[in-house]
Amino acid sequence: DQQVKQNSPSLSVQEGRISILNCDYTNSMFDYFLWYKKYPAEGPTFLISISSIKDKNEDGRFTVFLNKSAKHLSLHIVPSQPGDSAVYFCAAVVVGNTGKLIFGQGTTLQVKP
Amino acid sequence: EPEVTQTPSHQVTQMGQEVILRCVPISNHLYFYWYRQILGQKVEFLVSFYNNEISEKSEIFDDQFSVERPDGSNFTLKIRSTKLEDSAMYFCASTDREGAGNTIYFGEGSWLTVV
Repeated sequence: DQQVKQNSPSLSVQEGRISILNCDYTNSMFDYFLWYKKYPAEGPTFLISISSIKDKNEDGRFTVFLNKSAKHLSLHIVPSQPGDSAVYFCAAVVVGNTGKLIFGQGTTLQVKP
Repeated sequence: EPEVTQTPSHQVTQMGQEVILRCVPISNHLYFYWYRQILGQKVEFLVSFYNNEISEKSEIFDDQFSVERPDGSNFTLKIRSTKLEDSAMYFCASTDREGAGNTIYFGEGSWLTVV
């Protein structure tokens, strides 16, 4: 039961260009979406989130877009930096439940200098 | 910055042995979680814990698994009789409030290898 899907296992981008990571979901009850970044042998760290009542949230170089009708969200990183190279997980949560996160499979981003 | 700490960072155990993974959540947090990630797969929810009881558990969290908060600071995951397929990175997480996700902090993980 893949409620959150990241269909691209990997993405390679040149430093300074835009990185776009995509995520699709099936459960219309999700009311909060998050992106986590994960380096090897470390735990996921929170990056940016968006409420289902918004369509955009921006934080520095990171912007998350939500298209509720398409059940699709994307993370834009501009400009991409080599230090951004990591695995990016999309996650979703139903607020008011136990707070458990449903994660996508992850996309490995490589930013080349 | 406050952090969730986990021990051990890596443990190798024989199949059928009991394993206890330990976590110290952030001190004022009230909601606790265990997740796991099998190599190459996604991070999966195992269990949530609040007010000294399990609030939700996944299908993975069968009778071989248990959680405990034995004192005011530790939160443990016990696997009673480990199987090869239990080999994974186990992440503890905590938050001071339910739901929003942006306040959920993860530990660095405990890598369990069952041989």
